[in-house]
Amino acid sequence: DADVTQTPRNRITKTGKRIMLECSQTKGHDRMYWYRQDPGLGLQLIYYSFDVKDINKGEISDGYSVSRQAQAKFSLSLESAIPNQTALYFCATSDGKETQYFGPGTRLLVL
Amino acid sequence: GIQVEQSPPDLILQEGANSTLRCNFSDSVNNLQWFHQNPWGQLINLFYIPSGTKQNGRLSATTVATERYSLLYISSSQTTDSGVYFCAPDTGRRALTFGSGTRLQVQP
Repeated sequence: DADVTQTPRNRITKTGKRIMLECSQTKGHDRMYWYRQDPGLGLQLIYYSFDVKDINKGEISDGYSVSRQAQAKFSLSLESAIPNQTALYFCATSDGKETQYFGPGTRLLVL
Repeated sequence: GIQVEQSPPDLILQEGANSTLRCNFSDSVNNLQWFHQNPWGQLINLFYIPSGTKQNGRLSATTVATERYSLLYISSSQTTDSGVYFCAPDTGRRALTFGSGTRLQVQP
């Protein structure tokens, strides 16, 4: 089984809809992250969490919110989706010491 | 925050050729990773290399932390090496910061 899973893998939604992307990890890491990748660009940090009670904004947090339900689960919500939030979304985990591990990504299309 | 510059932005190789990708960064780091993003969008960890040199098959990487750069070497390139290569350092204060990537196309 994959160490970091994301659901859904693909999603099409309409402008104004609220949607949630979910991430689960089995690595036992305290740190979890959400990144966004626009076409042809690198990844940008949306939110990160260093433990269940610690949530921090990244570079591009406007229009997004997160919930850290447990050590293993970190969800990203788009409160009112807009077309320029169309992107590839990645969840990642780390123990803070070495490698960050990335999930397979969620492709989101906002019409 | 830390600035990351990757070069070249685009690279086209014939199968069997060697290449060197460069990553310059603007601050001291305690973590640096190289990733390969395949044409399906999947991010594949290549190296965790905050300093020193590592090798994995046809790929190797070197980070000179004191001079704030890292190099990724690809030898005897194959068509399956095509995709985008990202360098991502971390100062330890927050999370990885990604460069804009090097887009590699290996032609048969």
